[in-house]
This record gives sequence, structure tokens and C-alpha cells, in this order.
Amino acid sequence: EADIYQTPRYLVIGTGKKITLECSQTMGHDKMYWYQQDPGMELHLIHYSYGVNSTEKGDLSSESTVSRIRTEHFPLTLESARPSHTSQYLCASSTRLNEQFFGPGTRLTVL
Amino acid sequence: DAKTTQPPSMDCAEGRAANLPCNHSTISGNEYVYWYRQIHSQGPQYIIHGLKNNETNEMASLIITEDRKSSTLILPHATLRDTAVYYCIVKEADSWGKLQFGAGTQVVVTP
Repeated sequence: EADIYQTPRYLVIGTGKKITLECSQTMGHDKMYWYQQDPGMELHLIHYSYGVNSTEKGDLSSESTVSRIRTEHFPLTLESARPSHTSQYLCASSTRLNEQFFGPGTRLTVL
Repeated sequence: DAKTTQPPSMDCAEGRAANLPCNHSTISGNEYVYWYRQIHSQGPQYIIHGLKNNETNEMASLIITEDRKSSTLILPHATLRDTAVYYCIVKEADSWGKLQFGAGTQVVVTP
């Protein structure tokens, strides 16, 4: 079983609040990813990182930002949450051969 | 990265083998075939990957045609817990790129 963790699992928050979604992995993987997925819809990559101090935007434009100060930690931040940010956010890390391991996800609801 | 084509859905009887097809006619020589699945509301799960030889692990078997333009994921004895969306992805293994998840195949295993 993969050792990748996300907190919180569920978050309900009001419009305008700043939030940070946490993601940590203990496998020593350099590559990490954030995906966004609405119910019944496809996964969309919003951010990825090749290693410490490396971050890139994914295929889907997102108002969120990420940081990668430590190999094991890849948090995602929304400075001012809006109802349009309501979605499930999935974090993943991968081996050199692109075997991606996913966390359980954070289901975000912005009221 | 090569594009893949999968049927949108398929049903399978519990205890029978499930054969999931995937077409990837534009695959290049150094691209691998990856299979993932996503059980409802959970993060995707890595299943298997291969280059040109058939591969087998504890979860499934992967059969790749000799011309590598298509492949089949085989779940040898489907159980109700195998009900999920299955994604076929083509990607260079040792590259820094990200995986592109498409719509996948919704597999429903029935009693």
C-alpha cells in the first residue's frame, strides 16, 4: 500500500477564506502531482513538481498555488476560496517509471 | 504522447474474466502502456504497465499486440470490488512528463 497522505479528507468553508490542502509522501519520490476531479468527470492535472523548488502548472488552469520546499511535502493553497473551487483534489507521487500513487483525496466544498 | 481509445463502458459477470481493450495506434517505440483504475470517490490505483512483452502481476495481465497498436487488460476472475473506471495511458516511462487520464472504461461487475 502506498504511503501518501492528504488532509483534510473533507472541508466545508465559506467564500473568501484562505485554505491549504496538505499532501505528504514517505516514498522519497521526486515527482508529485495535484489533480482536480468533479463527480463523474475526468481527472485534470492542475500542478506538478519534478523535485524540491520545482513547480509547474498543469493542463487545467487553476487559481491555486503550490510549493515544494521538502521532497515529501507538496501543499496546495487557495488564497480566496470561491464556490467554483468546489471539487475533489487528488495528490499523487510517482516512481521514475511513472507508476503514480494517489492519496485518498480532499473533497472541498465552498459555500 | 500517443492518444488512446477505450470503450466507454462494459459489463462483466462476477467470477468471469474481464477483457478490457485499448487502442493506441500512434504509439512510439519508447512509450509504455499503463493501466490504472478508479473506484468510485477514491484516488486512482496503479494496476500494471508494459512495453512490448506481456506482463502479469497479482492484479491483472496485460497483453500487447505484436505491432503494439493495441492492448488488453485482463482481470482473470472479476469480483464486485473490481467495479471501477479503468484508464489506459501511453507514456514514455523514464520521462518527466505527466500522465494524461482520459475518460476510461466504466466496468460494472454484476453478481
